Amino acid sequence: NAGVTQTPKFQVLKTGQSMTLQCAQDMNHEYMSWYRQDPGMGLRLIHYSVGAGITDQGEVPNGYNVSRSTTEDFPLRLLSAAPSQTSVYFCASSPYRGNGETQYFGPGTRLLVL
Amino acid sequence: DQQVKQNSPSLSVQEGRISILNCDYTNSMFDYFLWYKKYPAEGPTFLISISSIKDKNEDGRFTVFLNKSAKHLSLHIVPSQPGDSAVYFCAASETQGGSEKLVFGKGTKLTVNP
Repeated sequence: NAGVTQTPKFQVLKTGQSMTLQCAQDMNHEYMSWYRQDPGMGLRLIHYSVGAGITDQGEVPNGYNVSRSTTEDFPLRLLSAAPSQTSVYFCASSPYRGNGETQYFGPGTRLLVL
Repeated sequence: DQQVKQNSPSLSVQEGRISILNCDYTNSMFDYFLWYKKYPAEGPTFLISISSIKDKNEDGRFTVFLNKSAKHLSLHIVPSQPGDSAVYFCAASETQGGSEKLVFGKGTKLTVNP
């Protein structure tokens, strides 16, 4: 049981490049989400999904796309990377929408945009 | 404007003593509060929560106190252990909001010295 896995662990991009951050969970959780954590700031929600085929925007969705074609996977796409997207990205999953107690977070992807 | 504030970026205590981590909030609609713990290179993990119908919730060495009139909550760790050294995030939401409505503070880095 791997829990929530994220790849890559670390990535360097040039401004304008695109990439996909991968997130997978093997717990059959319905709810998945993406957060970013910037220095000196708390986690901020980018996008979330309450089940396969259903996604919605969080607090800071601009510049990111998501899709949820399977229960297990919830990739985050950066369409045209900008230095402002330099951050640590956390994916989380939960068996249901809940109130935060049941969220399992992945180890994070550290992204540097030059 | 920060709705959840953790004004102390760091805290250092001696092993065996009490650690008190503070959190203030400005949104009077918040009625559910959580604490997460985060070790380096790992994602946050849920620690303890409290709803506004209570003023205290205890789980082993961890106790969270809520003062609704002051819009303040605190996490007490007694006795503190070196393994408690981590970043602690306070988060808040409205009960009906769901995980996607969580608002996080910036975090407080706790160091417990042997």
